[in-house]
Amino acid sequence: LAKTTQPISMDSYEGQEVNITCSHNNIATNDYITWYQQFPSQGPRFIIQGYKTKVTNEVASLFIPADRKSSTLSLPRVSLSDTAVYYCLVGAVWSRDDKIIFGKGTRLHILP
Amino acid sequence: DADVTQTPRNRITKTGKRIMLECSQTKGHDRMYWYRQDPGLGLRLIYYSFDVKDINKGEISDGYSVSRQAQAKFSLSLESAIPNQTALYFCATRAQVAGGPGEQFFGPGTRLTVL
Repeated sequence: LAKTTQPISMDSYEGQEVNITCSHNNIATNDYITWYQQFPSQGPRFIIQGYKTKVTNEVASLFIPADRKSSTLSLPRVSLSDTAVYYCLVGAVWSRDDKIIFGKGTRLHILP
Repeated sequence: DADVTQTPRNRITKTGKRIMLECSQTKGHDRMYWYRQDPGLGLRLIYYSFDVKDINKGEISDGYSVSRQAQAKFSLSLESAIPNQTALYFCATRAQVAGGPGEQFFGPGTRLTVL
């Protein structure tokens, strides 16, 4: 299973763009990259998922370089409500060994 | 109504007691999961199930057991609770999809305290 490494914490200001990078040097060919957001005492919530290049949805963008050994979650124009823990996960498609591993995540604190 | 529900939401019990946490889902997903989360840490996988007859251990299954009573129900049991099992427990579901692992849907969590 691919292990991920993220910064433990980050601070930013309202209205700024925030980029959180995740390293996954031993990502396997079939692995996808998924990001989740978690607020205190709530279950994680799916943000975005991708395999290569760039994926964008209504809340975030995910940038994946050609070697796929890292990925960057980009949150445009953050607000105070984006203060949360963000998890980067790497997992395979249709894997019978379906152990979706959450690391410790990145604690993002948005300042006014 | 929530797609993934957990009962109870909060529970205080004593060392040595047997306790069951229940999870139900209305999403029709085959895959269900139990995680625990300790303060300041990420989620750790306890057990997961692909369907009613297929149950697998996760990272930290010792001291826990599970039962998949139906596609929609997945229960976690602590046969003899101990204080270091005090944690926030989450149930999750996931559908099998093409083109990626898809999205996990999490329940609201059960806060368990073992005295």
